[in-house]
Amino acid sequence: EAAVTQSPRNKVAVTGGKVTLSCNQTNNHNNMYWYRQDTGHGLRLIHYSYGAGSTEKGDIPDGYKASRPSQENFSLILELATPSQTSVYFCASGDRAGGFTQYFGPGTRLLVL
Amino acid sequence: AQSVTQPDARVTVSEGASLQLRCKYSYSATPYLFWYVQYPRQGLQMLLKYYSGDPVVQGVNGFEAEFSKSDSSFHLRKASVHWSDSAVYFCAVPNYNVLYFGSGTKLTVEP
Repeated sequence: EAAVTQSPRNKVAVTGGKVTLSCNQTNNHNNMYWYRQDTGHGLRLIHYSYGAGSTEKGDIPDGYKASRPSQENFSLILELATPSQTSVYFCASGDRAGGFTQYFGPGTRLLVL
Repeated sequence: AQSVTQPDARVTVSEGASLQLRCKYSYSATPYLFWYVQYPRQGLQMLLKYYSGDPVVQGVNGFEAEFSKSDSSFHLRKASVHWSDSAVYFCAVPNYNVLYFGSGTKLTVEP
């Protein structure tokens, strides 16, 4: 069974603080993704990665950085958190060999005060 | 560019009734197409996927979807819904290694 885990599951941060969201996958997939989900916007792609050491900008990268130190781990970093970044964040993994199927983690609820 | 449109933001049906959730896609060639489901406070799970062959694709929990090239559609269907099917359903299409999701349809199944 494909497995993607995220930590923390819930986070409260202060405006201007640094937030790091972590994602781990045990599927040995090359590609990993970070999305945010907001009411009225569906899922929006923030950053993605094709493998260790690579990061690519998605549709809404401003205010976010990503880091892929290994095949298994992909982090999303908010250097200066703002209230507009309050959202639910999902990590996913997948690759072309799997027919583009993506496997999602359970999500992280972030509240920036 | 590849995209999908889900015209119905909310659908309400009675338990035991049949269901159709609509999805229209925009693509230059026959694409992969997906339906995902998101139960409350959970991540997305794939219901089914189409790439080629039989245009009717079977998924989990009695769901199926039909690909139509002439209509550019990939509608999701279920013959008899259960209260546990209440969730948000997303249609998606890949572009290279990125999946693009529709805005989702929230399904409510009433007793």
